[in-house]
Amino acid sequence: DNVMTQFPDSLTVSLGERATINCKSSQSVFFGSNKKNYLSWYQQKPGQPPKVLIYWASTRRPGVPDRFSGSGSVTNFTLTISSLQPEDVAVYYCQQYFDSPFTFGPGTRVDIK
Amino acid sequence: QVQLQQSGPGLLKPSETLSLTCAVSGASIDNPDYYWGWVRQPPGKGLEWIATIYHNDITYYNPSLKSRVTISLNTSRNQFSLELTSVSAADTAVYFCARHHRLEDVVAVPAFFDPWGQGTPVTVSS
Repeated sequence: DNVMTQFPDSLTVSLGERATINCKSSQSVFFGSNKKNYLSWYQQKPGQPPKVLIYWASTRRPGVPDRFSGSGSVTNFTLTISSLQPEDVAVYYCQQYFDSPFTFGPGTRVDIK
Repeated sequence: QVQLQQSGPGLLKPSETLSLTCAVSGASIDNPDYYWGWVRQPPGKGLEWIATIYHNDITYYNPSLKSRVTISLNTSRNQFSLELTSVSAADTAVYFCARHHRLEDVVAVPAFFDPWGQGTPVTVSS
């Protein structure tokens, strides 16, 4: 299995400041034939199902605010919230879809300082 | 707008079989543009993919659960289902159904999950 890890486990950021979440896969999720990384990011708020934010590692889903951005390649990825808003308090997960079983990271909790 | 509505029991005893159904509106589960899947989340923990199915009944299972899981389509009712046999306390979780979005670029793959059902809390206890 492609094991996904995330760090930090949690972070506390002031309103308007940048939040950076890291995700690492134990195996590459980069497909050389199309130069794409098979990785997505989700946001989950308490009592709600997850919501996809980004796929192909850096493509924002329609309707997702542009303060959310994804970057990285091969095994190392980052989700950045450029200016944290109150509604961004949530747990964030990465997920690889390069291969089955499709695996998620353990999550990173983001709170406001 | 695609919506997924889950149904099924919330309390089981050890060794029983969990059966969950996900009714889809706003899209046909016959549509070859989509897969359909199940994900679970134990209390206070992260997400675990369980299984995915395609319109032609091609299935993908998490090897950790494969021996106990069956995913199936009911095209006449536009719904899909999950069965998990011989449940134990370790299967206590919120179970989500979701559209497993198909992305094609050189090859087609089940990619991200969107949208999701509301979640069904399932407790296994004697």
